[in-house]
Amino acid sequence: GQQLNQSPQSMFIQEGEDVSMNCTSSSIFNTWLWYKQDPGEGPVLLIALYKAGELTSNGRLTAQFGITRKDSFLNISASIPSDVGIYFCAGPINPGSNYKLTFGKGTLLTVNP
Amino acid sequence: GAVVSQHPSWVICKSGTSVKIECRSLDFQATTMFWYRQFPKQSLMLMATSNEGSKATYEQGVEKDKFLINHASLTLSTLTVTSAHPEDSSFYICSAPLASRDIQYFGAGTRLSVL
Repeated sequence: GQQLNQSPQSMFIQEGEDVSMNCTSSSIFNTWLWYKQDPGEGPVLLIALYKAGELTSNGRLTAQFGITRKDSFLNISASIPSDVGIYFCAGPINPGSNYKLTFGKGTLLTVNP
Repeated sequence: GAVVSQHPSWVICKSGTSVKIECRSLDFQATTMFWYRQFPKQSLMLMATSNEGSKATYEQGVEKDKFLINHASLTLSTLTVTSAHPEDSSFYICSAPLASRDIQYFGAGTRLSVL
């Protein structure tokens, strides 16, 4: 099945710094999704991308759908302590077919105040 | 926005008992829902696809008799962990797709601890 390679696995940054993480795939995706998971909670959708080259922002978060359709990145600007959590990229395993998702392994973000 | 409600958020049970977890889509209908299991510091592992009005589809290696799934209505799916054992202790999360946007919304998860 389709595999998503997400990096980095973890990041330790100071408050105020910018963060960047990315996902790559060997297969083409028609949709890229970015989720954040707080400890003990379910993932929350941050940004959904639907078109190659699309650049979408949600507050301090910006995500892009790579032109090749095989990659996506998520940037967080001016990080704050509440940005701590695990960030997952995801995409539909079989586009148009029952919405099953495949996930990256996640990026654990730690923000030092 | 679309919301998925999962209940209970935390359950402790004795070994050998069964536990039921509910997943509801609150403001949209979902003919399909998904159940995941997550181990500490790992990604989500898809267990099964819950199909309204028909049998669930289980991923390879998931015991269907251990993890019973019922999707009796367009807004409710349940996962029952039968004869639970300590190795079933985990974080279980459900999700429901919003078809119009090709995305999934997740419940808050259920922490199961089997003593």
